[in-house]
Amino acid sequence: DIQMTQSPSSLSASVGDRVTITCRASQGISNYLAWFQQKPGKAPKSLIYAASSLQSGVPSNFSGSGSGTDFTLTISSLQPEDFATYYCQQYNSYPLTFGGGTKVEIK
Amino acid sequence: EVQLVESGGGLVQPGGSLRLSCAASGFTFSDHYMDWVRQAPGKGLEWVGRTRNKANSYTTEYAASVKGRFIISRDDSKNSLSLQMNSLKTEDTAVYYCARRGRAWAYDIWGQGTMVTVSS
Repeated sequence: DIQMTQSPSSLSASVGDRVTITCRASQGISNYLAWFQQKPGKAPKSLIYAASSLQSGVPSNFSGSGSGTDFTLTISSLQPEDFATYYCQQYNSYPLTFGGGTKVEIK
Repeated sequence: EVQLVESGGGLVQPGGSLRLSCAASGFTFSDHYMDWVRQAPGKGLEWVGRTRNKANSYTTEYAASVKGRFIISRDDSKNSLSLQMNSLKTEDTAVYYCARRGRAWAYDIWGQGTMVTVSS
């Protein structure tokens, strides 16, 4: 199975900050990498697919990059509604696997 | 509006069975692969399994943790996805989400989830 390792597991940031979350795959997954946002008690929301493509309706302050084993999710200017937990997922091979999550909290 | 709505969750004893459903609307259900993903209380997301579409013979894939106990099926005539869960264990306690595989093979739509509690 491909292990997905996210870092950090949590971070504190202020509104307006630039935030970067890293996701590392235990083996190469090309660009078959997605990012999701989840708020407490809610279903995940799809943000990014194919490592760097924004899902429809996702604000442009979100961006993704990477290929192979190393990926990043960047929020260029953190907004109040962006405080949530973020997960990466590889869909290169079965079983599909998720990272452990990164909780973005208010500083 | 594109929507997925899960139902069927509840409390079940260890060793019991439960069937979850996911009703799809607002899109051509038969075109899409559909997945189940779960989340144990306070934990991260775990992929459960997948059903492919008719063009790919409705074949399925499962996580090792549920293989042989869970069965994913679909009824394209009713725009419905199902998860039959047998021989349930306490560690199957989770919110279960259905998700649509959209363009570029990634999830684009999620349901709101249904809670399954396995306890005596």
